[in-house]
Amino acid sequence: DAKTTQPPSMDCAEGRAANLPCNHSTISGNEYVYWYRQIHSQGPQYIIHGLKNNETNEMASLIITEDRKSSTLILPHATLRDTAVYYCIEGGTSYGKLTFGQGTILTVHP
Amino acid sequence: EAQVTQNPRYLITVTGKKLTVTCSQNMNHEYMSWYRQDPGLGLRQIYYSMNVEVTDKGDVPEGYKVSRKEKRNFPLILESPSPNQTSLYFCASSLGVAKNIQYFGAGTRLSVL
Repeated sequence: DAKTTQPPSMDCAEGRAANLPCNHSTISGNEYVYWYRQIHSQGPQYIIHGLKNNETNEMASLIITEDRKSSTLILPHATLRDTAVYYCIEGGTSYGKLTFGQGTILTVHP
Repeated sequence: EAQVTQNPRYLITVTGKKLTVTCSQNMNHEYMSWYRQDPGLGLRQIYYSMNVEVTDKGDVPEGYKVSRKEKRNFPLILESPSPNQTSLYFCASSLGVAKNIQYFGAGTRLSVL
């Protein structure tokens, strides 16, 4: 079973920031937080990951709380093409099995 | 272009007729994995491979076989498909040092009648 908790759905207006929360209160000290998204039955797409510092790449930013029990994925300027299911996953780098939960369905409105 | 290629994309078959879904990656990745996705159950790992000739079971291996004879290929074999294997299948690959950053194929939608 997935060890993370995410809201089932969220809405966002096009052009606005989308902030997707994730709770991972049982995360171990050496486990990372990974974010993926899946656009309508396509293959999941890696977005970003982090351990304890905030991270940013060309797709998104990841904010991890100091106690590492939760994180927020930020899409700074959401577009209609960002409508997807977003998955927050915790895991150690030596593993490889991604345990996908139900994720958050993000709908970006015009 | 770096990619994971699955074939076929769509397949309808009948119970008991052996089939193979191919998966190939061009990124020289050591780690490869198969998942199935079913409504309400999310993605579940079927089998994975750490490298050539090294494979192991995931969470739902029953009814499936895999092989890893070459680094780039990781076929999924259904020796005797049954209707409960009707599903959306994804192959993924990653570098051995970053196993959780996986690149997924476009998926194979399988229907077993």
